[in-house]
Amino acid sequence: KQEVTQIPAALSVPEGENLVLNCSFTDSAIYNLQWFRQDPGKGLTSLLLIQSSQREQTSGRLNASLDKSSGRSTLYIAASQPGDSATYLCAVRLPNSGYALNFGKGTSLLVTP
Amino acid sequence: DAGVIQSPRHEVTEMGQEVTLRCKPISGHNSLFWYRQTMMRGLELLIYFNNNVPIDDSGMPEDRFSAKMPNASFSTLKIQPSEPRDSAVYFCASSLAGGADTQYFGPGTRLTVL
Repeated sequence: KQEVTQIPAALSVPEGENLVLNCSFTDSAIYNLQWFRQDPGKGLTSLLLIQSSQREQTSGRLNASLDKSSGRSTLYIAASQPGDSATYLCAVRLPNSGYALNFGKGTSLLVTP
Repeated sequence: DAGVIQSPRHEVTEMGQEVTLRCKPISGHNSLFWYRQTMMRGLELLIYFNNNVPIDDSGMPEDRFSAKMPNASFSTLKIQPSEPRDSAVYFCASSLAGGADTQYFGPGTRLTVL
């Protein structure tokens, strides 16, 4: 079974700082990897989707990279803002698992003014 | 578009009672997913449907759980009888092209079984 790990579990940074969230997975034969944001009491919002053939995706201040061989992905957030405070989850899909996503437990980010 | 709609948003019930959670996917999406989120286990896929047909229900914890999708715009997840360990947030998500596409999540139903 694919194991997805996110470190750290929680992170607090001052506003304006650049930061990196980490995601690792045990099976490198993934179909794609997604980063989601979850606000308290809310559902998940997809941030970036990286197909297995891609190395990175960018959206605004967010950049996600994928290194399948090492089983790692990072989410880079530039110039962090208090509005970025949320839990960030990564999820991978295996080629032969149908449509199932395997989620990490997330990194809880707090950006302080 | 209103996004994925779930009801109720909160449900408190007593052990042994039947619980029905409801989901309306985004119009035009042909795949629907039910997830459960707990502190201990994180997010787990329970079941997913493609074109209203259940494709994989291997994540359904036990026979007390059942899910239906009678048409493209409605799905239910039923727990009968409910137990305290079923307390969790249940999410419904939909996507246009199954696993190849982004999944859009509803706001979730927070279930508490006393």
